[in-house]
Amino acid sequence: GIQVEQSPPDLILQEGANSTLRCNFSDSVNNLQWFHQNPWGQLINLFYIPSGTKQNGRLSATTVATERYSLLYISSSQTTDSGVYFCAVEETQGGSEKLVFGKGMKLTVNP
Amino acid sequence: GAGVSQSPRYKVTKRGQDVALRCDPISGHVSLYWYRQALGQGPEFLTYFNYEAQQDKSGLPNDRFSAERPEGSISTLTIQRTEQRDSAMYRCASSLFARGNEQFFGPGTRLTVL
Repeated sequence: GIQVEQSPPDLILQEGANSTLRCNFSDSVNNLQWFHQNPWGQLINLFYIPSGTKQNGRLSATTVATERYSLLYISSSQTTDSGVYFCAVEETQGGSEKLVFGKGMKLTVNP
Repeated sequence: GAGVSQSPRYKVTKRGQDVALRCDPISGHVSLYWYRQALGQGPEFLTYFNYEAQQDKSGLPNDRFSAERPEGSISTLTIQRTEQRDSAMYRCASSLFARGNEQFFGPGTRLTVL
């Protein structure tokens, strides 16, 4: 099955700093999503981005499908950005529509 | 509410008891998925449905786990004879159509087996 690797595994920032999260995947995908799991355990959709670039406020994401990676940018980080960020993909091959998740990246933003 | 809902939000049970977890997807969504998330890990796929048909149950860990979606809307995940290793967050998601569409997750059910 498809492999999903996220880096870095953990990151500690001061409020106001910028960060880049990377997601590498091992095969072609139909779907790629970025999620934020907040400290209360809710899984929040950030981006649905199987290819191209999207922006939403301080967050933006780029997926280069031909090179099998995606990047999530967080600018001017705030303490509310703390939590775990997951990348998840649905592979093109095979009959299942399941999402395969990476192990996540824990972000801590200090005031 | 327009989102995916799950109940109960928290369930504590004793080893050997059966539990039923409910998922109410976004209205009109064809596909419904169940995932399980252990502490400190990402969610892992269990099973999914298109309408009422179970399409893939390859992620169910053993035959104590089963799921149904009889009318193509609400789904129930049942765990029989629970064991301590079943303790986890159980998440449900739905998407408008099948392949390649964005999945939206519910708040999850935190199951603790004593």
